Amino acid sequence: DTAVSQTPKYLVTQMGNDKSIKCEQNLGHDTMYWYKQDSKKFLKIMFSYNNKELIINETVPNRFSPKSPDKAHLNLHINSLELGDSAVYFCASSQAYREQPQHFGDGTRLSIL
Amino acid sequence: GENVEQHPSTLSVQEGDSAVIKCTYSDSASNYFPWYKQELGKGPQLIIDIRSNVGEKKDQRIAVTLNKTAKHFSLHITETQPEDSAVYFCAASTRNQFYFGTGTSLTVIP
Repeated sequence: DTAVSQTPKYLVTQMGNDKSIKCEQNLGHDTMYWYKQDSKKFLKIMFSYNNKELIINETVPNRFSPKSPDKAHLNLHINSLELGDSAVYFCASSQAYREQPQHFGDGTRLSIL
Repeated sequence: GENVEQHPSTLSVQEGDSAVIKCTYSDSASNYFPWYKQELGKGPQLIIDIRSNVGEKKDQRIAVTLNKTAKHFSLHITETQPEDSAVYFCAASTRNQFYFGTGTSLTVIP
């Protein structure tokens, strides 16, 4: 069973569109994350979220918003897509009550035309 | 906030040789240091981790050392194999926020 799964794996769309990426984890973790990995492989945290707290990286444009219908899901919504949004987006999860490893999905490659 | 530097950015070794990747961090409050391996088209996968109350940890061919005073930690891979070729990331964690290094692309030449 896949621990952290993301859909879709590939997303090709035009500038200005609105899109969503879904993430689900079956590990029973209480904290989920979204990362952006650029073409140079740099991994940057965008959001971390549990049922009590949303922490936003201040460099993330407000066109990006996480939405969590329940503890096992954290979806990423992106409005008015721009060329610079092209990247691979990774979802991850962990237990927050003590330092624990984060488990990553296999990523969603977003390409803006 | 935390700043994690990782070196080298690329590393090529002959099969059977050892590989060493080094990271430094800035925040003395960081207390958890995982290492991830990312293969092409996949997400980062945890390969080993170490906590601030431990100086060294080993798992088969992989070992990690931590020097809290100097704020640096290193990944050591012995007897490298072609399947070790991947991008490796170090990270430092405080209050469950992970700060990743910039990655090392390791190539093991058969």
